Amino acid sequence: GAGVSQSPSNKVTEKGKDVELRCDPISGHTALYWYRQRLGQGLEFLIYFQGNSAPDKSGLPSDRFSAERTGESVSTLTIQRTQQEDSAVYLCASSPGSAGANVLTFGAGSRLTVL
Amino acid sequence: GDSVTQMEGPVTLSEEAFLTINCTYTATGYPSLFWYVQYPGEGLQLLLKATKADDKGSNKGFEATYRKETTSFHLEKGSVQVSDSAVYFCALSAPGGSYIPTFGRGTSLIVHP
Repeated sequence: GAGVSQSPSNKVTEKGKDVELRCDPISGHTALYWYRQRLGQGLEFLIYFQGNSAPDKSGLPSDRFSAERTGESVSTLTIQRTQQEDSAVYLCASSPGSAGANVLTFGAGSRLTVL
Repeated sequence: GDSVTQMEGPVTLSEEAFLTINCTYTATGYPSLFWYVQYPGEGLQLLLKATKADDKGSNKGFEATYRKETTSFHLEKGSVQVSDSAVYFCALSAPGGSYIPTFGRGTSLIVHP
């Protein structure tokens, strides 16, 4: 597609429920990243995909968080048994590869509010 | 590990004032350096980048010079406009971090008419 598309743009859920956040990267971009942006904070790295594999998932905060990518395209970030501290904007970005000077193209984000 | 430190905001300026947003970094190896901008209600987008020491990135009147000796990449603009109001993020990508970009906390810029 023309840009990185994320859905839903806004999600309100109750504590303890599971949520799925979706990311459609730019067609042909092999690298895909998930970041989290809490209110007033910087971008916190969660996970990185190269193709369909995730060489670095070091940023996932707990085992309640998981992500997958299929067909070297769409990625889904799943948060199980959501907690209030999971409230944040979840950002997805893609790039043509994983070399040093690659520029990331970001989606508009999925804002998650856990009540 | 790799890290980026930015000056805290918000930075509040009048239109046509000079802007500096400081950014310093710590990285293993020789990183590439970036400034991204997030306008209200929009996603982050690249503003400028530099890939080696002494390189100057520039775009839309903004400039930043890669200073290896001071490990800095300060963002400057000679005359800001109201439309420059946004959050600015400094970032690096380095081999020690598998080239996964590391971002600073962001600096909010508010420009008044």
